[in-house]
Amino acid sequence: GAGVSQTPSNKVTEKGKYVELRCDPISGHTALYWYRQSLGQGPEFLIYFQGTGAADDSGLPNDRFFAVRPEGSVSTLKIQRTERGDSAVYLCASIPSGGGRDRTGELFFGEGSRLTVL
Amino acid sequence: SQKIEQNSEALNIQEGKTATLTCNYTNYSPAYLQWYRQDPGRGPVFLLLIRENEKEKRKERLKVTFDTTLKQSLFHITASQPADSATYLCALVTSPIGGKLIFGQGTELSVKP
Repeated sequence: GAGVSQTPSNKVTEKGKYVELRCDPISGHTALYWYRQSLGQGPEFLIYFQGTGAADDSGLPNDRFFAVRPEGSVSTLKIQRTERGDSAVYLCASIPSGGGRDRTGELFFGEGSRLTVL
Repeated sequence: SQKIEQNSEALNIQEGKTATLTCNYTNYSPAYLQWYRQDPGRGPVFLLLIRENEKEKRKERLKVTFDTTLKQSLFHITASQPADSATYLCALVTSPIGGKLIFGQGTELSVKP
């Protein structure tokens, strides 16, 4: 596709339920990032992948959060036993393998998945 | 502790004026710093990147400065327009080969006609 695609765009769930959020990056982008953003705050880093492996998962808040990227393209963020504090917009971004000197590290973001835990 | 701080209050300016947004950081040694624009309900969009050995970078009406002694970056929009109204985020990367971007909380800019 033309851009980073995230589904669902909105998810409402009840406390304690399991949730999966999907990210389809721009074709050929090697690195993929997950962030979450609360109202009035900047994006908070969760995890990033280089290819299939998690290169840095230091931002995952606890073991209820897990992410996979089994074939090096689509990624799924999984949240178990959701809590009200997990409510936020979950943003996915990817990085091209090239891009030119002035664009090294530029992230291309999706529109996010808004998660509401009741 | 490590912090990135941007103007917490919204910035309101008149059309045609220059908007200046501030990004200060503590206990980081960034290899480079980026600025993004975010509109309500949308993902951030990349604007500019400046490296640790660069003092200034320009792109059209945008200018970014980077002072590693003051640990500060300034982001300027000259001849501002109402269409520039958005939230602006700074983000830094500590490794020259990339890795995680750490974002500030953003500054909301409102340009009045």
